[in-house]
Amino acid sequence: DAGVTQSPTHLIKTRGQHVTLRCSPISGHKSVSWYQQVLGQGPQFIFQYYEKEERGRGNFPDRFSARQFPNYSSELNVNALLLGDSALYLCASSLPSLRETQYFGPGTRLLVL
Amino acid sequence: QQQVKQSPQSLIVQKGGISIINCAYENTAFDYFPWYQQFPGKGPALLIAIRPDVSEKKEGRFTISFNKSAKQFSLHIMDSQPGDSATYFCAANFGNEKLTFGTGTRLTIIP
Repeated sequence: DAGVTQSPTHLIKTRGQHVTLRCSPISGHKSVSWYQQVLGQGPQFIFQYYEKEERGRGNFPDRFSARQFPNYSSELNVNALLLGDSALYLCASSLPSLRETQYFGPGTRLLVL
Repeated sequence: QQQVKQSPQSLIVQKGGISIINCAYENTAFDYFPWYQQFPGKGPALLIAIRPDVSEKKEGRFTISFNKSAKQFSLHIMDSQPGDSATYFCAANFGNEKLTFGTGTRLTIIP
């Protein structure tokens, strides 16, 4: 079975640009969460979506937004990129019956110059 | 406060030895405590998890010990192998899917 997939794997942007990151959950998983992992730190929660509705939002500015599609895949959008947005962006999915058990994808490495 | 504090920051253990990583939490509402293993350039992989109604859980060489009264939990890796060299994160969750992670422990197993 395929795990959580994310695209692209790497991305280089310049300050002020916009970026869209994509995530496909494990088959049967209806919940997707997004995390930001800065080098040397633990992942920080950004968003959680379940059944296409936002169920949680972390302490991130409004420049960050996300959505979930009918097939349960998800997009994370970041506007007006700052140097500090450089990080590994992780997507995690979980089953409806075991929502606390999250399985992570390989992440998208974003570098903002 | 939803912090999870993890120690040590780095750990070097000889092959065959026991690796021990500790975490402490503040929010007594936390009800699920997973450990993740992360290799460089990869996403975190779920290793083992425990709920507060159990004091210990063992899966192969990996054991979680949980002390509810002290609000602490730890990961023990028995017979540590070079392939265990990775960064380990403890985490905690309550009632929803938001995981609060510790700061990570970089484990190195030397021959």
